Amino acid sequence: GENVEQHPSTLSVQEGDSAVIKCTYSDSASNYFPWYKQELGKRPQLIIDIRSNVGEKKDQRIAVTLNKTAKHFSLHITETQPEDSAVYFCAASIDGTGGFKTIFGAGTRLFVKA
Amino acid sequence: NAGVTQTPKFQVLKTGQSMTLQCAQDMNHEYMSWYRQDPGMGLRLIHYSVGAGITDQGEVPNGYNVSRSTTEDFPLRLLSAAPSQTSVYFCASSPRRTSHYGYTFGSGTRLTVV
Repeated sequence: GENVEQHPSTLSVQEGDSAVIKCTYSDSASNYFPWYKQELGKRPQLIIDIRSNVGEKKDQRIAVTLNKTAKHFSLHITETQPEDSAVYFCAASIDGTGGFKTIFGAGTRLFVKA
Repeated sequence: NAGVTQTPKFQVLKTGQSMTLQCAQDMNHEYMSWYRQDPGMGLRLIHYSVGAGITDQGEVPNGYNVSRSTTEDFPLRLLSAAPSQTSVYFCASSPRRTSHYGYTFGSGTRLTVV
């Protein structure tokens, strides 16, 4: 089955710097790659996603890139702010005859120091 | 719209007890799923459903049962609770049975088995 690896597990940056989180997936049939942000004690929330026919997508300070050949995708956060501090999860989804499965990475805890 | 509602928020069970975690959504979403979240392991898929009467297994289905009698409800049953099932459980829904739409998560149920 699909396996998603996420690095780093912890990331600390200074306010205003950029943060990059990287993920790899194993199943070339994966066709949708969402990213979720989870603040302490809260539910995960979708922040951005990318489909397999797109190489890059940007939404204000966040962007995702996808390299299908290498099975890599990354989250880029620019001009980080203290409120960006949270756990970020990447995921890969595969469509099947009985519906899709979404497999998550283990998460990256991002600290933004003011 | 309330979105995805989970009950209870907290539960303590003794080993061997059974219980049902409730999940309801009012968005007319076709797809519903259950995940468990453990430290350092991300979110792992337990079971999912693409419509009333249709369910399938995820990554870690053992010890759990589900049913989907209506579009709105997707309860998760623990048959005989074990300490290894101590976790935070999230219910998530998506508009369609195909990927590309992302999840709306419930607020979670924190379960402790002693």
